[in-house]
Amino acid sequence: NAGVTQTPKFQVLKTGQSMTLQCAQDMNHEYMSWYRQDPGMGLRLIHYSVGAGITDQGEVPNGYNVSRSTTEDFPLRLLSAAPSQTSVYFCASSRYSNQPQHFGDGTRLSIL
Amino acid sequence: KQEVTQIPAALSVPEGENLVLNCSFTDSAIYNLQWFRQDPGKGLTSLLLIQSSQREQTSGRLNASLDKSSGRSTLYIAASQPGDSATYLCAADYGNNRLAFGKGNQVVVIP
Repeated sequence: NAGVTQTPKFQVLKTGQSMTLQCAQDMNHEYMSWYRQDPGMGLRLIHYSVGAGITDQGEVPNGYNVSRSTTEDFPLRLLSAAPSQTSVYFCASSRYSNQPQHFGDGTRLSIL
Repeated sequence: KQEVTQIPAALSVPEGENLVLNCSFTDSAIYNLQWFRQDPGKGLTSLLLIQSSQREQTSGRLNASLDKSSGRSTLYIAASQPGDSATYLCAADYGNNRLAFGKGNQVVVIP
């Protein structure tokens, strides 16, 4: 198993550009989440999904969209990038609720 | 809103000493409490998960306790080694695997 795979690992964008951060898992996990990690702020939940076709907002959802058309994939979309979205983004998954979560290696995103 | 606090932000210990890391949370209505390890530039690795009905969980040299009534969890690492140097993160699960994280304890084990 590859676990949780995030692509790209690094990305630089200009303000106003759009992009999609990819997250895929091959463990047949139902639960998937996106977090951002900022210095001095810790990790904060952006969006999460409890299964294919079901998504909901986390603590800091503004500026981000998600969809979950398959169990394996949970992409995060930035429609119009802003410098405040410069961060490290982590995707996580788990098989069931109340289970340890598996994290990807992160995407380091800089917005100029 | 669930607030999770980890103090101190950073600490150094000589090799062989026991490590004690503290975590506090404001809302006792949690499903579980999780401890993670993060190495520089890497993702998070799950260390221990304590269910809300449990008092402690052990794995090798690691032991984590949970006191929901006081909103506290403690991670003990016995006989620390230089390879234990990392940032340790505490996270409270408030349902549907939604985690509220502390800012972490950055640990350096001095050989």
